Order: sequence, then structure tokens, then C-alpha cells
Amino acid sequence: QSALTQPRSVSGSLGQSVTISCTGTSSDVGAYHFVSWYQQYPGKAPSLIIYEVTERPSGVPDRFSGSKSGSTASLTISGLQADDAAEYFCCSYGGSYSLVFGGGTKVTVL
Amino acid sequence: QVQLQESGPGLVKPSDTLSLTCAVSGASIRSGNYYWAWIRHLPGKGLEWLGFIYHSGITHFNRPLKSRISIAVDTSLNQFSLKMTSVTVADAAVYYCARVRCTGSCSTIDLWGQGSLVTVSS
Repeated sequence: QSALTQPRSVSGSLGQSVTISCTGTSSDVGAYHFVSWYQQYPGKAPSLIIYEVTERPSGVPDRFSGSKSGSTASLTISGLQADDAAEYFCCSYGGSYSLVFGGGTKVTVL
Repeated sequence: QVQLQESGPGLVKPSDTLSLTCAVSGASIRSGNYYWAWIRHLPGKGLEWLGFIYHSGITHFNRPLKSRISIAVDTSLNQFSLKMTSVTVADAAVYYCARVRCTGSCSTIDLWGQGSLVTVSS
């Protein structure tokens, strides 16, 4: 399986919204409702922010939302805050007990 | 509070075997419906799933790496481990152990260790 495709970077001003795309294939993102998103600060472990395409774990602000259309999943961060500056990774179930990740997107808050 | 902690050598020689252990604290590795995973973050690249193991010993691996990787579980010590043979400089990365929740599929990584930096050099 090839890695999922994410933009290397996105940026937005405080209070604005940004959307990160995660493009896979009909064998992973397009086939299953099992896409998750992780936030990672430098030197820290990733942290789950979205699972099963749209679900938020408790404690994750509702500014973070997920969606999917065909083989592309998206993460939207609304009302951008300074501490949203981080790297974001998507992950999809790939069938047959396999996982595939995206290359990561660095979010810059202007 | 469940926690994961990786341990192992930070420096491995080319062609040697990389060995890492993940200690699980705060819960039994046999409790719940979870797989226990190894994931790495290659420098300048994204995350890469290596494989995972159920407490019964059932394993699943990333197909391109399957010939070089083994994962074992020790339920008496509440830990699981990774071995990767014939390492090269391309295997230098931060290695994470993680817990994967199985609801509908085994795909949600809801807990991560802090990561273990592995350098490959002679």
C-alpha cells in the first residue's frame, strides 16, 4: 500500500478555518469508514483527534471536524488558535488488518 | 491511567537487529479489545505502521516489511516487543509503541508511547 497523500503544509490566520486533505484509493480511504487523524507537536507523541471519519474523542474541541468524500478524507480546523500549530497525520484502515498513514501536514498559524 | 513506555538501544549498527520493548502500565495487556502496535516516524517523512499483535499472539505486519519484522507479546510481564533484522540507515526513525482499538475494525490508535529514537550507524 502506498502512503496516503496530504499537502505538506497549510496556513491560516488566527480565527480562520483551514482544511487538510488526505487522498487514498478505493482500497483504503474509499473503501472504509475508518479514517483517523492525529495531531503531533515537535518532540511529542501523536494524539488522536478524529476517528471513524467524523468522531471526536472526549476532550477534543469541536473546532476539529472530519469528513470524507470518495477516496479523500478531510480535517477542518475552525477558529484557528495559536496552539493548533502542529503536524497532522491521517490514517486509514487498509483492509486485512492493515493501516496506512499520510505523509503529514504542517499547520502554520499566521 | 494506561501508559506505554518504549525501551531499547538508541544506536544500532547496520545489518544488526533492532530490538525494542514496550511496557504497558495501568491496565492488563489482555484487557479490552485492542491490538498492540509498532509505528515509526521516519525523518522528513510521515508515519509508517509496522505491525501489531493481539494478546493471544496473533500478528499482522506491513507487507513490505514482513520478512524483517517480528512482534512478540509477554502477558506475564505486560509488555510486547519488536525485532527488525538487517537494519540500514533507512531504518533510522523514532519508533512508537501504541494501542489500537478494535471497534468495527482495528484502526483507531488511542494511546501512544513517548517514542524511542533509533540511530543506525557503525
